[in-house]
Amino acid sequence: SQQGEEDPQALSIQEGENATMNCSYKTSINNLQWYRQNSGRGLVHLILIRSNEREKHSGRLRVTLDTSKKSSSLLITASRAADTASYFCATEGDFGNEKLTFGTGTRLTIIP
Amino acid sequence: EADIYQTPRYLVIGTGKKITLECSQTMGHDKMYWYQQDPGMELHLIHYSYGVNSTEKGDLSSESTVSRIRTEHFPLTLESARPSHTSQYLCASSDPVRLAGAEGDTQYFGPGTRLTVL
Repeated sequence: SQQGEEDPQALSIQEGENATMNCSYKTSINNLQWYRQNSGRGLVHLILIRSNEREKHSGRLRVTLDTSKKSSSLLITASRAADTASYFCATEGDFGNEKLTFGTGTRLTIIP
Repeated sequence: EADIYQTPRYLVIGTGKKITLECSQTMGHDKMYWYQQDPGMELHLIHYSYGVNSTEKGDLSSESTVSRIRTEHFPLTLESARPSHTSQYLCASSDPVRLAGAEGDTQYFGPGTRLTVL
């Protein structure tokens, strides 16, 4: 069954605006990660948040994690045209040596 | 850019052909993975390996096979390709050595192989 589901499936915003995308998951996790995928390419790791953390920042990225609701959000501030990509959340289970389970992805388009 | 490579990048073949998709990484990672991804869709894990001579099937049933004879190399083989195998195949690797300030199994992805079976 699908571990991660992302919302919205697609998002279009003007350059300079903030973009927020959400991820929900079903089972206990060790950490949650966000990845970016440019069209036709592999994924690139953006940020990791551990299960005992609630918020983390990296440059223009801000990630929150609510383990009680089994959800996470990724905020990209002051968006740029180069941020256009698909964004995936991925969860690592809490039993050790777990594989990552990827969400369905959010397709973000930044309009110049 | 991650030091993980996939060849070929694009492949168009006829039904019934045997193909091998190559994946290699120079980071010395023990863990390697193969994912299948249809355009605009989620990734599905089809095979993984935790080290030399270790291979496991993933969450999505696949008619492909893999081998792990060397740490840096994790090829995927389709004995008889069919149109239903048309997809993008992504290879990834990871290392349990923790990144500074983070704990987790971060994966590094290759650029992918886009396979079309006619």
